[in-house]
Amino acid sequence: EVVLVESGGGLVKPGGSLRLSCAASGFTFRNVWMSWVRQTPGKGLEWVGRIKSEIDGGPTEYAAPVKGRFTISRDDSKKTLYLHMNSLKTEDTALYYCTTQYSSSSLGYMDVWGNGTTVIVS
Amino acid sequence: QSVLAQPPSSSGTPGQRVTISCSGGSSNIGSNYVDWYQQVPGTAPKLLIYRNNQRPLGVPDRFSGSKSGTSASLAISGLRSEDEADYYCAAWDDSQSGRVFGGGTKLTVL
Repeated sequence: EVVLVESGGGLVKPGGSLRLSCAASGFTFRNVWMSWVRQTPGKGLEWVGRIKSEIDGGPTEYAAPVKGRFTISRDDSKKTLYLHMNSLKTEDTALYYCTTQYSSSSLGYMDVWGNGTTVIVS
Repeated sequence: QSVLAQPPSSSGTPGQRVTISCSGGSSNIGSNYVDWYQQVPGTAPKLLIYRNNQRPLGVPDRFSGSKSGTSASLAISGLRSEDEADYYCAAWDDSQSGRVFGGGTKLTVL
């Protein structure tokens, strides 16, 4: 089964830091690009950023509101995606999802989301 | 203010066909694929349509997508009560070098 499980959310003061993790299973993690998307309570979806696979290479990309404060990294040996968040602001309060899209020879086009982890900056 | 514009709400009766619009610009919908998501409150988004008009395995053919110029649409035919959810469009934006989402459309099945 293809699964993403986020963890690491919590309550943090403005200016503080937090690291989110996303554990992947059921697919070849090292081959896929991974993204973080957040959702403010009662609001819509906001793309945070993405990291490409090592084989594809290229820069990690970030949304303007988080650029310079957030860093996305991955450990392919642990099949884990990370979101390092610094200089947190109240407007970063949200449910954070990790997600990926890839093509599977057996399952077709796959779009996978975790259940999210909540970050509250207050 | 979302980069992609969607109507905040829409409604229909069971069996009816409804359409949800998504309006963007040349840097996003005009030059990239559009995806559509369904989100039931309290759950993660679920992909309904990718690459403008493709359905992932398991998505009923009641759901269809189309794109023309800088706008896209999601059509739901044979509306069912379980279709009541929030719907989001998404596309890559070349000028922002990032993915952009619509503000979402809350669909109510009357």
